[in-house]
Amino acid sequence: DVKVTQSSRYLVKRTGEKVFLECVQDMDHENMFWYRQDPGLGLRLIYFSYDVKMKEKGDIPEGYSVSREKKERFSLILESASTNQTSMYLCASRDNRSPYNEQFFGPGTRLTVL
Amino acid sequence: AQSVAQPEDQVNVAEGNPLTVKCTYSVSGNPYLFWYVQYPNRGLQFLLKYITGDNLVKGSYGFEAEFNKSQTSFHLKKPSALVSDSALYFCAAKYNFNKFYFGSGTKLNVKP
Repeated sequence: DVKVTQSSRYLVKRTGEKVFLECVQDMDHENMFWYRQDPGLGLRLIYFSYDVKMKEKGDIPEGYSVSREKKERFSLILESASTNQTSMYLCASRDNRSPYNEQFFGPGTRLTVL
Repeated sequence: AQSVAQPEDQVNVAEGNPLTVKCTYSVSGNPYLFWYVQYPNRGLQFLLKYITGDNLVKGSYGFEAEFNKSQTSFHLKKPSALVSDSALYFCAAKYNFNKFYFGSGTKLNVKP
């Protein structure tokens, strides 16, 4: 079974802090994604990475950056956390050898910025 | 622009009754279509997907989905709902390289 893990289930940070969210997958997937989930808005793509050191902006990249130095790990960075970044953050990975392969999601990190 | 719509924020159904959770997608292109389920404080779990061929797709936990090209819909169905099916359901479409478009989610409440 594919396993996607996220470093924290719950995180509380203060405004202005630098925040790191880590995601690790164990199935050698090329593609990895970061989404945020907010009630009524569904999932919105922040960034995705199609291979090591490769990244592309999603729909809402402002205030975020990412790092993918190793294939199995994809990090989301909030350079200076703000209260409007309080949300559930979901990481996903995907085998891109077929165009119709589904994504596998981690358990999520619920981030609160005070 | 590509998009996915789930017109109902919430669906209520009695245990044992059939359930339908609706999803429509935009007409530009021929997307691959997916359904995911999310239990409280958990990530999304894959249920089923439509690629091509038979319009009725069977998936996990007794769920199925009906693809209708003329109505651009991909509704999720189950013949007999269980209380344990209560969760948040997301429809998603993939049109190109790596971009998945998600609906806003539908909360399913199954009452005993």
